[in-house]
Amino acid sequence: DAGVIQSPRHEVTEMGQEVTLRCKPISGHNSLFWYRQTMMRGLELLIYFNNNVPIDDSGMPEDRFSAKMPNASFSTLKIQPSEPRDSAVYFCASSAEGGGAYEQYFGPGTRLTVT
Amino acid sequence: AQSVTQLDSHVSVSEGTPVLLRCNYSSSYSPSLFWYVQHPNKGLQLLLKYTSAATLVKGINGFEAEFKKSETSFHLTKPSAHMSDAAEYFCVVSEPGGSYIPTFGRGTSLIVHP
Repeated sequence: DAGVIQSPRHEVTEMGQEVTLRCKPISGHNSLFWYRQTMMRGLELLIYFNNNVPIDDSGMPEDRFSAKMPNASFSTLKIQPSEPRDSAVYFCASSAEGGGAYEQYFGPGTRLTVT
Repeated sequence: AQSVTQLDSHVSVSEGTPVLLRCNYSSSYSPSLFWYVQHPNKGLQLLLKYTSAATLVKGINGFEAEFKKSETSFHLTKPSAHMSDAAEYFCVVSEPGGSYIPTFGRGTSLIVHP
């Protein structure tokens, strides 16, 4: 299996632009997580999907952030409009069952820089 | 509610000496506990997990952790550090009775000196 796939690996954009991050979970996994990692705040859970349904989005910073999972093999995280404080590494992770009861498999991350 | 505290933000050891990374947790239930490792510019990788089976858990690369309910601890150890162990380590707790949303510790940076 190729593991969790994220694209792009690096994204540089200007403030105010729309950014879309993409994630393909491991086939057969039914839970998907989006995380943000910064030096200041560490690793933060943004949103958790189970069977394509958002279960907990309390970590989404504000309305500028939105996430979708249209099917079991694809998810997107969108920031519109982007701001410099959104600069971070964004990770997607998937797990086989029941959210955090099982180990998560992380993608390589997308490093976002907003200038 | 669940929480996890990694007691050291940085741990520095010499190559060949033992490693101890400390983790305390709080949970109202019998939790699942995990240790993940993150090498520079990489995603997180599972080292080991505890899910109410044996209290001493063995993981990859010679790491192990012991679940101590009385002390609410899940410390990570390795008998002999290798240069390649230098990385960030995360302790994670996840409890039932909800959505099993995992809670990550702030991380411990392991520095290995030659």
